[in-house]
Amino acid sequence: GAVVSQHPSWVICKSGTSVKIECRSLDFQATTMFWYRQFPKQSLMLMATSNEGSKATYEQGVEKDKFLINHASLTLSTLTVTSAHPEDSSFYICSATPGGYNEQFFGPGTRLTVL
Amino acid sequence: AQRVTQPEKLLSVFKGAPVELKCNYSYSGSPELFWYVQYSRQRLQLLLRHISRESIKGFTADLNKGETSFHLKKPFAQEEDSAMYYCALGQSDSTDKLIFGTGTRLQVFP
Repeated sequence: GAVVSQHPSWVICKSGTSVKIECRSLDFQATTMFWYRQFPKQSLMLMATSNEGSKATYEQGVEKDKFLINHASLTLSTLTVTSAHPEDSSFYICSATPGGYNEQFFGPGTRLTVL
Repeated sequence: AQRVTQPEKLLSVFKGAPVELKCNYSYSGSPELFWYVQYSRQRLQLLLRHISRESIKGFTADLNKGETSFHLKKPFAQEEDSAMYYCALGQSDSTDKLIFGTGTRLQVFP
């Protein structure tokens, strides 16, 4: 089956620093990748849609300058949380799809803790 | 506005009992509905999608456009069914985006 990996699985950083999270599709080419945020005991909130070679499309209320997304290849998308603050602490999950109404394959998630 | 509603946060049943996890949606276009499952300490994975009209692990779900519902059902719950279940709405445009409900935790007791 299709596998999506995320790195790192967890990260702790100081307030004001930037953190990069990688999302990779290991055995398929992902025309589209998605970034979600999940608060404890809550649902997944879509942050942005990332298409290879083009700018990400952000959902309403998500700061694009705060959450930088780069989809440099068909197998890699990165999310950079810039100038992180404690309120950015959350579980960030990516998913990838080959496109054409195929299912999304989810990564294991990255837990970010900002001190 | 597009929205997915799962009214129950927690559903507890005994093994062998029937299960129905409710999902209602709001969407003006032609919806594509999914159920995703997340077992303890595992990633989210697709359970089933309405266009497949198949039964996975004994679960079925029928899209009822009149009631805008896509309830997940299983006649006899098993302990291994205990997990978090999310209903998701895919949109008929080309974005492949999914809108998730808040999820229902299913607990199956022995």
